[in-house]
Amino acid sequence: DVKVTQSSRYLVKRTGEKVFLECVQDMDHENMFWYRQDPGLGLRLIYFSYDVKMKEKGDIPEGYSVSREKKERFSLILESASTNQTSMYLCASSSGTAGGETQYFGPGTRLLVL
Amino acid sequence: GENVEQHPSTLSVQEGDSAVIKCTYSDSASNYFPWYKQELGKRPQLIIDIRSNVGEKKDQRIAVTLNKTAKHFSLHITETQPEDSAVYFCAASRTGGFKTIFGAGTRLFVKA
Repeated sequence: DVKVTQSSRYLVKRTGEKVFLECVQDMDHENMFWYRQDPGLGLRLIYFSYDVKMKEKGDIPEGYSVSREKKERFSLILESASTNQTSMYLCASSSGTAGGETQYFGPGTRLLVL
Repeated sequence: GENVEQHPSTLSVQEGDSAVIKCTYSDSASNYFPWYKQELGKRPQLIIDIRSNVGEKKDQRIAVTLNKTAKHFSLHITETQPEDSAVYFCAASRTGGFKTIFGAGTRLFVKA
């Protein structure tokens, strides 16, 4: 059974703080993704990675960076948190090197930036 | 860029009735179409998917149809039950492309 875990379920941060969200998967998946979920907007891709140390921008990368030093771990970094980054953040992973595969999601981190 | 449009945004049905959610995609190279269900406070989970080499797929009370010419695909839930109440997301992706494009979601309410 695939397990994707995220470091926190809820986070409260102040404007300007540096925020780290961590995601770990235990299924040796090549691909990992970070999304943010906002009402009425669905799931929007922030960044993804298809291999260790590889990263690609998604649709809304501004204000975010990522790190993938190990295959099982993908971190999302908010360099200087702002109130418009208050959202639900979902990590996901998938297998395969060609794309077009099922994504397995973590439980999400609800971030509030004050 | 690529996008997936999903309708309706909200759907309310009586228990036992059918529910249909429709999606349209823009990238004609898309060949994988998953549907995810997200219950309140939980993570999205795959409930059914279809690849472009078939037109329909069923799994008990749920089915998905695909019309590649029109770039439409739909989720059909028959004999709805209260536990079907959730947000449903359609998505599209293609071989060789790592990105999955999600629809905005449909909130389904099943009234007992």
